[in-house]
Amino acid sequence: QILLVQSGVEVKKPGASMKVSCKASGYTFSDYGISWVRQAPGQGLEWMGWISAYNGKTKYPQKFQGRVTMTTDTSTSTAYMDLRSLTSDDTAVYFCARDGFSGTREFDFWGQGTRVIVSS
Amino acid sequence: QPVLTQPPSVSGAPGQRVTISCTGTTSNIGASYDVHWYQQLPGTAPKLLIYGHTNRPSGVPDRFSGSTSGTSASLAITGLQAEDEADYYCQSYDLSLGGHWVFGGGTKLTVL
Repeated sequence: QILLVQSGVEVKKPGASMKVSCKASGYTFSDYGISWVRQAPGQGLEWMGWISAYNGKTKYPQKFQGRVTMTTDTSTSTAYMDLRSLTSDDTAVYFCARDGFSGTREFDFWGQGTRVIVSS
Repeated sequence: QPVLTQPPSVSGAPGQRVTISCTGTTSNIGASYDVHWYQQLPGTAPKLLIYGHTNRPSGVPDRFSGSTSGTSASLAITGLQAEDEADYYCQSYDLSLGGHWVFGGGTKLTVL
């Protein structure tokens, strides 16, 4: 079955960086893009960016440009999301999500989420 | 602020029908980008409920249905069950700013 398994809880100090991983299994990794979506406590879902697992092409919203880097390692079927210059506003659960098979830009499989706490 | 607008909450009694609206603009839903819906139970990851406006992934009951018209979309749930109590999010794509994925703010469904 298709699974996206993310790395564990992270606690960071303001100004630090974080790197979350998302290991895929059950499908051909390079056939689908991966997006990252975050959810602050009690808040809704926020799209953070997308990466093609085929060629590494990325797309980031203006809000995160310059602060986020998404990469993939096709040898291990793993996607990574790097976020720098953390503030308390970055405290959230971070999800990776796979592009849907239908090609209409839905997310058909999600990781379990990685909780990140930014606190001094 | 979320790009897509949803009501913060809706409620209904078991067995009833409820609908959740999702209002966009001419740069997303109105530009013919597909609308998708997710269900998020407390403490879990979102789950794809409806994709491509009206399609249900395997395993999603036919009590859930989606529709889109103009710049708005709706999710309908019939025969409400206690297990349907969750947060629901609509999602689409927006062509502004070079193109980006967008979500609604989410709607909390309470089963009375």
